[in-house]
Amino acid sequence: SQQGEEDPQALSIQEGENATMNCSYKTSINNLQWYRQNSGRGLVHLILIRSNEREKHSGRLRVTLDTSKKSSSLLITASRAADTASYFCATDVRGGADGLTFGKGTHLIIQP
Amino acid sequence: NAGVTQTPKFQVLKTGQSMTLQCAQDMNHEYMSWYRQDPGMGLRLIHYSVGAGITDQGEVPNGYNVSRSTTEDFPLRLLSAAPSQTSVYFCASGNNEKLFFGSGTQLSVL
Repeated sequence: SQQGEEDPQALSIQEGENATMNCSYKTSINNLQWYRQNSGRGLVHLILIRSNEREKHSGRLRVTLDTSKKSSSLLITASRAADTASYFCATDVRGGADGLTFGKGTHLIIQP
Repeated sequence: NAGVTQTPKFQVLKTGQSMTLQCAQDMNHEYMSWYRQDPGMGLRLIHYSVGAGITDQGEVPNGYNVSRSTTEDFPLRLLSAAPSQTSVYFCASGNNEKLFFGSGTQLSVL
């Protein structure tokens, strides 16, 4: 079964606006990661946040983690057309088998 | 560095045929894995390996075999292809803090 669930499934915004995507998960985790997938390509790692961290920044990316609610959010500020992609959260489940568990993704479209 | 290389990029099989999807990485990663991606399902883990000679099952292992004779290579074998195995397959290497993905193999089983 899926560990992570992204919300919304799809998001369309104007270039320059901020985009926010959410991820909920079910069990305790060691860390949570966000990946981007451009159409027809493999996934690319964006950012990792550990279970003892609440917020992390990387360039135009801001990730938050609320372990009490088992949720995370990814904020992309000042969006660009090149940010059009699908975004996935992935969790490293505490006590689980090796390997990351991915959500179903949010498809983000940036309108020029 | 080439990173993670998958071949072939596209493949069409008939039901019952067998084939091997190749994956190679040049980053000396101990951990390698195979995922399948289906519309609306995200990525699901098929098999993974934590080092040469060590493999284990993921979430959806049925119908697939793997082996890990070297650190670099982690082939995925479809024993008898079924239409339900039509999917995009991704190989990844790295660790539980960062995975590097190949560009994928789009497989259709007729």
